[in-house]
Amino acid sequence: EPEVTQTPSHQVTQMGQEVILRCVPISNHLYFYWYRQILGQKVEFLVSFYNNEISEKSEIFDDQFSVERPDGSNFTLKIRSTKLEDSAMYFCASSEYGTGGASGYGYTFGSGTRLTVV
Amino acid sequence: AQTVTQSQPEMSVQEAETVTLSCTYDTSESDYYLFWYKQPPSRQMILVIRQEAYKQQNATENRFSVNFQKAAKSFSLKISDSQLGDAAMYFCAYRSGAGTYKYIFGTGTRLKVLA
Repeated sequence: EPEVTQTPSHQVTQMGQEVILRCVPISNHLYFYWYRQILGQKVEFLVSFYNNEISEKSEIFDDQFSVERPDGSNFTLKIRSTKLEDSAMYFCASSEYGTGGASGYGYTFGSGTRLTVV
Repeated sequence: AQTVTQSQPEMSVQEAETVTLSCTYDTSESDYYLFWYKQPPSRQMILVIRQEAYKQQNATENRFSVNFQKAAKSFSLKISDSQLGDAAMYFCAYRSGAGTYKYIFGTGTRLKVLA
């Protein structure tokens, strides 16, 4: 069964450093997402991406965050200057369909990248 | 704003028994979708079952079924004949049908399956 692949599985970074989290969505999917889960808390939406642009973002997704699809297969989340509170599990997801009547099909999530900011 | 509440942080069930995980949500919308996701120790979030709000019939996927009570805004997950592999964190999620990509998740219920 097709999978969403995320690398690395765990990353430790110094506060203030830039970090790039990488994802390879399912090949025929057109919609891409990032979610995060702070330890012991809810999974929260960060951003959705379609047709090489952000289609929706949450209030969490401020100027320190950016997303990119640098080539035909990868989808990245960059955090420019990491803070301690950015420590979380970051999940990438993809879907074949977007909003509207196809919303019910659900996403395929990756296994996540655990980011630890020290 | 929509919210999703899972009031059971942890549940246990004997192997081969049945367990029900609770989820309630709050919304003023009429068009939406509800999901249960499973997160085993491998961490990948796996879609277990989904329900369209406009469908009265409860969704079923093999040993997994839901009890969708739209008026009560309740969406519980029943796991029948529980297996050791069912042990995981289970998340209830809401998605509006009104042109948003965003899922709203509950805090999760950790399910332990006892041999």
